[in-house]
Amino acid sequence: ETGVTQSPTHLIKTRGQQVTLRCSSQSGHNTVSWYQQALGQGPQFIFQYYREEENGRGNFPPRFSGLQFPNYSSELNVNALELDDSALYLCASSPGLAQRTEAFFGQGTRLTVV
Amino acid sequence: QKEVEQDPGPLSVPEGAIVSLNCTYSNSAFQYFMWYRQYSRKGPELLMYTYSSGNKEDGRFTAQVDKSSKYISLFIRDSQPSDSATYLCAVKGGSEKLVFGKGTKLTVNP
Repeated sequence: ETGVTQSPTHLIKTRGQQVTLRCSSQSGHNTVSWYQQALGQGPQFIFQYYREEENGRGNFPPRFSGLQFPNYSSELNVNALELDDSALYLCASSPGLAQRTEAFFGQGTRLTVV
Repeated sequence: QKEVEQDPGPLSVPEGAIVSLNCTYSNSAFQYFMWYRQYSRKGPELLMYTYSSGNKEDGRFTAQVDKSSKYISLFIRDSQPSDSATYLCAVKGGSEKLVFGKGTKLTVNP
């Protein structure tokens, strides 16, 4: 176990709705990244938070937004859900921004949009 | 051209076989190389992490990096049915993000 926990483990939403996914980072880790993994694909970087500030964003539209809290836990919010948003959403925590730090993943939240 | 290319397989081997998994990458800015193992419906688990050319060994697993060819490999010796999973290569360098391959699905048959 990595110590990174995500909730919920899975959920089903209707197209057009909004969803919030949550992540608790590993103890001592101040950096959280979010990834989207479509079926049969590798994870794709959504964005990263470091000490409550966004520190980089991948090629995702603005309806994907996030937050990081003072305890370094994080939320991923997706508005106006589309069918293509169905995927496994992964949170990864790391102990800092240095390039050589390792990233540890949670078990993911499986989102199905119908 | 994709930043990281990985043959998705699937790959099926008998128990005890040596498994070779490979990725190529396109950007020489990538300096850090990782292999993750992902069981079905689970998050990726970090297996190996290296930042230099050459070999790194951990038990039955060996990670190999050739920066001149932009080629990374993972070897699994004496493969076991419990090694059946999807193996993801990932690279990092010049930015905050990990760039993943598509993953190779491995089945080790008893």
